[in-house]
Amino acid sequence: AQKITQTQPGMFVQEKEAVTLDCTYDTSDPSYGLFWYKQPSSGEMIFLIYQGSYDQQNATEGRYSLNFQKARKSANLVISASQLGDSAMYFCAMRGSTLGRLYFGRGTQLTVWP
Amino acid sequence: GAVVSQHPSWVICKSGTSVKIECRSLDFQATTMFWYRQFPKQSLMLMATSNEGSKATYEQGVEKDKFLINHASLTLSTLTVTSAHPEDSSFYICSAREQGLTYEQYFGPGTRLTVT
Repeated sequence: AQKITQTQPGMFVQEKEAVTLDCTYDTSDPSYGLFWYKQPSSGEMIFLIYQGSYDQQNATEGRYSLNFQKARKSANLVISASQLGDSAMYFCAMRGSTLGRLYFGRGTQLTVWP
Repeated sequence: GAVVSQHPSWVICKSGTSVKIECRSLDFQATTMFWYRQFPKQSLMLMATSNEGSKATYEQGVEKDKFLINHASLTLSTLTVTSAHPEDSSFYICSAREQGLTYEQYFGPGTRLTVT
């Protein structure tokens, strides 16, 4: 069975500071993918970053980086230089080998304050 | 980039009526589309997976006869909520997986359904 755990229901960070959103996962699939999505209040799901289970290096996309620790089964999202527009719900997700479906965590509500 | 649209973006209907939600991939062919449901402040819950030209695969606990899914072409999947009730009020989101080996799913903007 696949499971994604996000233990932080809410996080607060001051503008221009960095913040780490935690995500741990559990899977028996030898090959899997890890995703982070941002969902603002409008509801759209915005893809942020992807990490494959066999990727040797941590993924980075602009201000987003994924701290992938395979042995610990963690895939934390690091947002550097937070902006007010980063305030949103953030979901960690995992894609297993079955049909490409995604398993989502419960999400973390990030609030960036001035 | 790949774009997925949903129509309508919001809908209000009376209890007992049926509502159809469309999900379209605008600039790519989607062999697989996924339908999710999201309650306020909660995560996305996968309802079903649809593959073009075949029957949808429903998740456990999702009523097949209530949530009818049709994936008639490589660019269109529809979700019909039949005999809607107030408890069906929710945010429905579709995603589409591009034909081929790409890992990414592209999400639609969602449809907010309110049943009165």
